[in-house]
Amino acid sequence: LAKTTQPISMDSYEGQEVNITCSHNNIATNDYITWYQQFPSQGPRFIIQGYKTKVTNEVASLFIPADRKSSTLSLPRVSLSDTAVYYCLVGSGGTGGFKTIFGAGTRLFVKA
Amino acid sequence: GAVVSQHPSRVICKSGTSVKIECRSLDFQATTMFWYRQFPKQSLMLMATSNEGSKATYEQGVEKDKFLINHASLTLSTLTVTSAHPEDSSFYICSARSRGDRDSGYTFGSGTRLTVV
Repeated sequence: LAKTTQPISMDSYEGQEVNITCSHNNIATNDYITWYQQFPSQGPRFIIQGYKTKVTNEVASLFIPADRKSSTLSLPRVSLSDTAVYYCLVGSGGTGGFKTIFGAGTRLFVKA
Repeated sequence: GAVVSQHPSRVICKSGTSVKIECRSLDFQATTMFWYRQFPKQSLMLMATSNEGSKATYEQGVEKDKFLINHASLTLSTLTVTSAHPEDSSFYICSARSRGDRDSGYTFGSGTRLTVV
């Protein structure tokens, strides 16, 4: 399983765009990149998943360069409620059987 | 979207007793579910993979006789913490993924806060 490296913490202000980069140098050919958000005392919540290039949904964008050795989660115009821990995971996109191993995550703190 | 229900959300038990935590996939079938443990200010640690109809696969260092996992149906997995001790106090989380939802990652339960006194 590819190991991921993220910044331990980040600070931002309301209304700013936040970009969190994750390194996964040993990503395998069939690995997908998935980001989760976790609030205190709650289970993680899926944000976005991608394989290559760019993926966008209603809450975030995911940028993946051609070599796929890193990825960047972009949160547009963050609010106080986006204060949470963000996890980057890589793993094969099978039928539900691949293990999801969590790294340390990035603790994002959004200030007013 | 897919929903995973976890119960109880919070439990306090005495040392030496056993506690059962349930994880249900409400609107999909899950042949595989995962159980995690999370200590304060730390990341999730995978404990075991729960397989429907067969034995669970435990991660290195996790005692299978202490953390009993049963996955008797396609929608229910249970984790029983046997002979609980204060050091077992933690936040336990399960996850699963719908086969028809391969582009949306895994769905996690809301977690169970276990306190052993």
